[in-house]
Amino acid sequence: GAGVSQSPSNKVTEKGKDVELRCDPISGHTALYWYRQSLGQGLEFLIYFQGNSAPDKSGLPSDRFSAERTGGSVSTLTIQRTQQEDSAVYLCASSLDSVSTEAFFGQGTRLTVV
Amino acid sequence: QKEVEQDPGPLSVPEGAIVSLNCTYSNSAFQYFMWYRQYSRKGPELLMYTYSSGNKEDGRFTAQVDKSSKYISLFIRDSQPSDSATYLCAMSRGSQGNLIFGKGTKLSVKP
Repeated sequence: GAGVSQSPSNKVTEKGKDVELRCDPISGHTALYWYRQSLGQGLEFLIYFQGNSAPDKSGLPSDRFSAERTGGSVSTLTIQRTQQEDSAVYLCASSLDSVSTEAFFGQGTRLTVV
Repeated sequence: QKEVEQDPGPLSVPEGAIVSLNCTYSNSAFQYFMWYRQYSRKGPELLMYTYSSGNKEDGRFTAQVDKSSKYISLFIRDSQPSDSATYLCAMSRGSQGNLIFGKGTKLSVKP
């Protein structure tokens, strides 16, 4: 595709359920980022993948959050046992190789936990 | 103290005004500085990118970085209603790794 694609665009889930959010980066981009944007807050870093290197997971807020990137392309962010405070927009971005090249963002997945 | 501070506004200006948006930061290790624009319910898009200190100009937009003061600015000349959006500053310690974002300033340009 032409840009970063995220699915679903909206997700409503019940508290305690698990959710999976998908990111399809721009073809050929080796760097992939996940961010969370809560109402009135800036973008909060979650996790960063660069090529075949071990991911930087330093931003994951709890062990309920995990992410993987298969084959260096598609990434899935999984939130287990969702809580109401997990409600936010989850944004994915990819860049050719690093922050010195433009990071392109997807439209985000709006997650609502009820 | 948060690593990156940005006044959330909102900021309202008349069409044609010069807009000044600012961020301060606390970590002297930041070397890469960016400004993103985010329209409602859209992902952020990169506006300006600067490495280390100095100025960079692109059309109506000018980005300034003062590392000695840990202060970055974005100036918008001849502002247009289409500039109405949230502007986010972002910075990184190195060429690879995560970006640290400010909270964003909501700008409204009135016709």
